Amino acid sequence: EVQLLESGGGLVQPGGSLRLSCAVSGLTFSNYAMSWVRQAPGKGLEWVSTVSSSGGSTYYADSVKGRFTISRDNSKDTLFLQMNSLRVEDTATYYCAKVVPPSTYYYDHWGQGTLVTVSS
Amino acid sequence: DIVMTQSPDSLAVSLGERATINCKSSQSVLYSSNNKNSLVWYQQKPGQPPKLLIYWASTRKSGVPDRFSGSGSGTDFTLTISSLQAEDVAVYYCQQYYSAPPNFGGGTKVEIK
Repeated sequence: EVQLLESGGGLVQPGGSLRLSCAVSGLTFSNYAMSWVRQAPGKGLEWVSTVSSSGGSTYYADSVKGRFTISRDNSKDTLFLQMNSLRVEDTATYYCAKVVPPSTYYYDHWGQGTLVTVSS
Repeated sequence: DIVMTQSPDSLAVSLGERATINCKSSQSVLYSSNNKNSLVWYQQKPGQPPKLLIYWASTRKSGVPDRFSGSGSGTDFTLTISSLQAEDVAVYYCQQYYSAPPNFGGGTKVEIK
């Protein structure tokens, strides 16, 4: 069974940093591109970032470009999202999601999400 | 960027009746190399992550009940629940994967009348 388990969310002040992790099991992690998708409270879904299976290519939404960094450790089956210069509008539940190949941008497995709250 | 617009925002349907959700893209998402539309539908129940229902606009994911069907091409798409069940109460999202950013529609909330 494929499982994705996010961690690292919490309360942070505007301008602060947070690092999210997503531990993946039940599949060969290094074969798949992975993404982060977020959902503000009571709102819709917003793609944040995608990393290729090797980690060599990364893609970002304009809203987070230059502030967030996606990465992965294929030896540990783990996906990361380093979030810097956080803003109130980054408050959301952050989901990690497995990309369906050969596409880059749709998802067949999702984690349960981790809540990031940016507030003073 | 391709903008995805869903309608209606919400709908209430009686058990056993048909529910129809529309999704419109601001430009065609038809992938010329395979003549398929790069559009998916997700279901999200309260407190849960989204669940993939349909990809390539009309291909049902394995295990998804056949009362769910997707149709449409180019810029106009529809998700139909042929006979609404209580467990289908959820928010439904379309998403294009033709080009980055892979935008989602705003969601349609389906409730029981």
